[in-house]
Amino acid sequence: ETGVTQSPTHLIKTRGQQVTLRCSSQSGHNTVSWYQQALGQGPQFIFQYYREEENGRGNFPPRFSGLQFPNYSSELNVNALELDDSALYLCASSRGQGGDGNTIYFGEGSWLTVV
Amino acid sequence: SQQGEEDPQALSIQEGENATMNCSYKTSINNLQWYRQNSGRGLVHLILIRSNEREKHSGRLRVTLDTSKKSSSLLITASRAADTASYFCATALLGGSTLGRLYFGRGTQLTVWP
Repeated sequence: ETGVTQSPTHLIKTRGQQVTLRCSSQSGHNTVSWYQQALGQGPQFIFQYYREEENGRGNFPPRFSGLQFPNYSSELNVNALELDDSALYLCASSRGQGGDGNTIYFGEGSWLTVV
Repeated sequence: SQQGEEDPQALSIQEGENATMNCSYKTSINNLQWYRQNSGRGLVHLILIRSNEREKHSGRLRVTLDTSKKSSSLLITASRAADTASYFCATALLGGSTLGRLYFGRGTQLTVWP
């Protein structure tokens, strides 16, 4: 139990649609990151939010966007879904920015299938 | 290309045996974290080792870090069927715009047979 909760756990969308995934971070954590994990691959960094500001972005197009709320929960939005967006989306939280030595905890993920 | 790469890609052993997985990376790191992932599930944090540390233990797990060789290893002793999972190393780079970002390899799939 990592204290990071994600919803929904599974969903199916049609190409071209939009999706919103949600994440509640562990208590006391002010940093949330999102990762995409395609089947058989390691997770790939999408972006990070620190104190409600985007604080780093990976190699993902602008149709991937996010928000962090005052309670440090977060949303990942993906517009104009493509078949290649089918993946496990993982939310991670940490105290501070994580890379400075704080453990980064992951949720169970949201499985997105685009048909 | 991947910052970290695990080796081997797959490992199959009997219960009670030890399992060793290796991780190599390319650029200087702040720390390295090992995770376990059961099929289709989230990542479970195992151990964090900082760049100024050489070895850490947690229960049946032993992690080493050799920054001169840019490599790490995860040893699971006396393995159990429940250890069957994918294992990932993730590197956190030194500061700047990459602070807080983890770089993952493709993982090692460990299968432990009863």
